[in-house]
Amino acid sequence: AQSVTQLGSHVSVSEGALVLLRCNYSSSVPPYLFWYVQYPNQGLQLLLKYTSAATLVKGINGFEAEFKKSETSFHLTKPSAHMSDAAEYFCAVSPRGYNKLIFGAGTRLAVHP
Amino acid sequence: DGGITQSPKYLFRKEGQNVTLSCEQNLNHDAMYWYRQDPGQGLRLIYYSQIVNDFQKGDIAEGYSVSREKKESFPLTVTSAQKNPTAFYLCASSPQAGTGFADTQYFGPGTRLTVL
Repeated sequence: AQSVTQLGSHVSVSEGALVLLRCNYSSSVPPYLFWYVQYPNQGLQLLLKYTSAATLVKGINGFEAEFKKSETSFHLTKPSAHMSDAAEYFCAVSPRGYNKLIFGAGTRLAVHP
Repeated sequence: DGGITQSPKYLFRKEGQNVTLSCEQNLNHDAMYWYRQDPGQGLRLIYYSQIVNDFQKGDIAEGYSVSREKKESFPLTVTSAQKNPTAFYLCASSPQAGTGFADTQYFGPGTRLTVL
């Protein structure tokens, strides 16, 4: 079965530190991959997506993610965390031939001064 | 200004009542989705629709019903059969990618339902 795993339900970083949120997927064929961000009491907003073009994908707010087929991973990074990055982040996968997105359980990012 | 609207933002329901959550999009998207989100949990798919007058059950459809009479509208009814309806409900829409993959989903702002 297709699935997506986000390692770490909570991640805490200092302002200015590197942000690394992990996402692994299970799929025999490279899928489309997405990262979304959710601020409290709001809907999800697309950060970036991978659609089999460049393996390094740049998104909004300084985030980027790298697709690594050998590791079946799509980790999200940002070089320097800002207080406004505190939110919940969801990784999602769209396997080939599947007309829905499969969401991970989410990672809550806390940024402290 | 294109987007997805959900109303109301907050909804209170007495036990035993049915309530309907509204979702409207003006993005001309074919597909629409309803998700439920509980504290500390991810998104669980309730129902989805790929085309007008057709919809499919998601992972947790029991106690919910939907209709898709118009392309831009996909209302969700939470029935009295839903035993624990207090949650945050999110609606999303997406175009048909035509690539064999599901395309980006665009989300509304959500409706928070509380059962009193």
